[in-house]
Amino acid sequence: DGGITQSPKYLFRKEGQNVTLSCEQNLNHDAMYWYRQDPGQGLRLIYYSQIVNDFQKGDIAEGYSVSREKKESFPLTVTSAQKNPTAFYLCASSITAGRSETQYFGPGTRLLVL
Amino acid sequence: RKEVEQDPGPFNVPEGATVAFNCTYSNSASQSFFWYRQDCRKEPKLLMSVYSSGNEDGRFTAQLNRASQYISLLIRDSKLSDSATYLCVVNPEGGNKLVFGAGTILRVKS
Repeated sequence: DGGITQSPKYLFRKEGQNVTLSCEQNLNHDAMYWYRQDPGQGLRLIYYSQIVNDFQKGDIAEGYSVSREKKESFPLTVTSAQKNPTAFYLCASSITAGRSETQYFGPGTRLLVL
Repeated sequence: RKEVEQDPGPFNVPEGATVAFNCTYSNSASQSFFWYRQDCRKEPKLLMSVYSSGNEDGRFTAQLNRASQYISLLIRDSKLSDSATYLCVVNPEGGNKLVFGAGTILRVKS
């Protein structure tokens, strides 16, 4: 089936630890995105990528890093510099870059700090 | 002022009721508009795009009022399965970046 997959579904992080969230899509979409959702707030953009080997910071990029080595994959690393990482992380993709295209979301990863 | 504002609700309605949500946006140059639906602990899913002329999809009707900078979603004949959070989404610049409202909670009860 075509779609976006995220893993793991739940992730626990210890203090000072870096963790990486996986996002894979087989929709042949050019653009991919990472959002963070906190209770009572709208989704906030962390990073996005319009094409392989290129990405841009979103509104809340501090404490996060990404890579886009393959079209299908856009992993997000939550570094120890992110002091409040507990949230629901959503990956999305859209067909083309630079236009107002519908974004399709993966099932999300819940990150909890131990 | 937030870029996209929604009444958080919850809206508690009986089955069969008609319910309407409004959403206001601050950037008058915003290019495109969407309604997404998000079930509890799940990812958002596109419900419908909102066009300048208004559009309808079954029991759902979306309207855009550029002069007053708001969009609306009308749900007729509410079903139990309509219970969810409805997210208002605006594209303020015409590029990739979307701005999400915090969502309006709808609970349909039998």
